[in-house]
Amino acid sequence: NAGVTQTPKFRVLKTGQSMTLLCAQDMNHEYMYWYRQDPGMGLRLIHYSVGEGTTAKGEVPDGYNVSRLKKQNFLLGLESAAPSQTSVYFCASSRTRTRFFGPGTRLTVL
Amino acid sequence: SQQGEEDPQALSIQEGENATMNCSYKTSINNLQWYRQNSGRGLVHLILIRSNEREKHSGRLRVTLDTSKKSSSLLITASRAADTASYFCATGGTTSGTYKYIFGTGTRLKVLA
Repeated sequence: NAGVTQTPKFRVLKTGQSMTLLCAQDMNHEYMYWYRQDPGMGLRLIHYSVGEGTTAKGEVPDGYNVSRLKKQNFLLGLESAAPSQTSVYFCASSRTRTRFFGPGTRLTVL
Repeated sequence: SQQGEEDPQALSIQEGENATMNCSYKTSINNLQWYRQNSGRGLVHLILIRSNEREKHSGRLRVTLDTSKKSSSLLITASRAADTASYFCATGGTTSGTYKYIFGTGTRLKVLA
């Protein structure tokens, strides 16, 4: 099993550009999450999904959108990137309480 | 709002020594988890302790939970260079579902060979 995979691993954007981060899991988990990790801030929940076709806002949802069209995939979109969105993004999935994390995507917005 | 806060922020010890890191939180919780993050990698789950448990062991890991003080500690015994990583606590609330966990800012542990 690959577990949780994320694409891409690195990306540099210019302010105003858009992009989509892809998360895939092969563990048949119902729950999926997107976090961002910034120095000194820990992990903050952006959006999450409790099942296929459902999404909900987390702590810091502004500037991001998500979609969960298939159970195994969870997409995070940035419609108009801003320098404040420079961060490391982690996707995670879970069946119950234990989260399984992907390797992360390092995004820089210039 | 930040729920869990780890202490110390950074810790450097010699191989073979024990490492202790603490997590304090503000509101009542249902359970608390500890995760490890190696540099440049995702977080890996270590252990979960429920609010009705006081202590839990897993290999060289020992976790305690004191709900009256709203604090937890993670002890790594006989540390190894491979234990070098950041360690995070994540607290789960009493009123929300399985998705409501808040992560702390982490303790950076360095184990010197």
